[in-house]
Amino acid sequence: EAGVAQSPRYKIIEKRQSVAFWCNPISGHATLYWYQQILGQGPKLLIQFQNNGVVDDSQLPKDRFSAERLKGVDSTLKIQPAKLEDSAVYLCASSWLGHEQYFGPGTRLTVT
Amino acid sequence: GIQVEQSPPDLILQEGANSTLRCNFSDSVNNLQWFHQNPWGQLINLFYIPSGTKQNGRLSATTVATERYSLLYISSSQTTDSGVYFCAVERDDYKLSFGAGTTVTVRA
Repeated sequence: EAGVAQSPRYKIIEKRQSVAFWCNPISGHATLYWYQQILGQGPKLLIQFQNNGVVDDSQLPKDRFSAERLKGVDSTLKIQPAKLEDSAVYLCASSWLGHEQYFGPGTRLTVT
Repeated sequence: GIQVEQSPPDLILQEGANSTLRCNFSDSVNNLQWFHQNPWGQLINLFYIPSGTKQNGRLSATTVATERYSLLYISSSQTTDSGVYFCAVERDDYKLSFGAGTTVTVRA
């Protein structure tokens, strides 16, 4: 069974530029999550989808971050414009609702 | 929100040693997961353990939900066990809240 896929693995951009991350969950998993992990900390949830609907985006900085999950499968997370403090690893996870979450390899973003 | 505290924050082991990592949480939870984050940043699932005891090779975990803590045991540690170990809890909202992690270094 294929795991959660993410791309790109690494991205370096300048502040005020935009960037997008892509996630493909495990086949059949209806629930998809995006987490932000700042160096030295545990991951923190940004947004949760159930199929193609948003369940919780209360921790998403909506003035610069946006996310969508078209057709209830793949998802993209976008940052526009990026700030220095957005430097982090962005992790995508998927699960059956209420069951074990599985994480992708992450995208390491550096904003200079 | 729920508080998740992990201890110790750092652990240095000699290869072959045993160790115990602890996770305390401030409120009742539906589920608890332990992860190992390898040097490349990948979170590897270790245990999905809302209560009771599970074992997988040299690793085992125990969660005592009524007392709001979980323990992860590493026996006969190997250098490949190095990395950061995270505890994460899930409540009725199906979201994981992570602790700050325990950084384990195993020396040959």
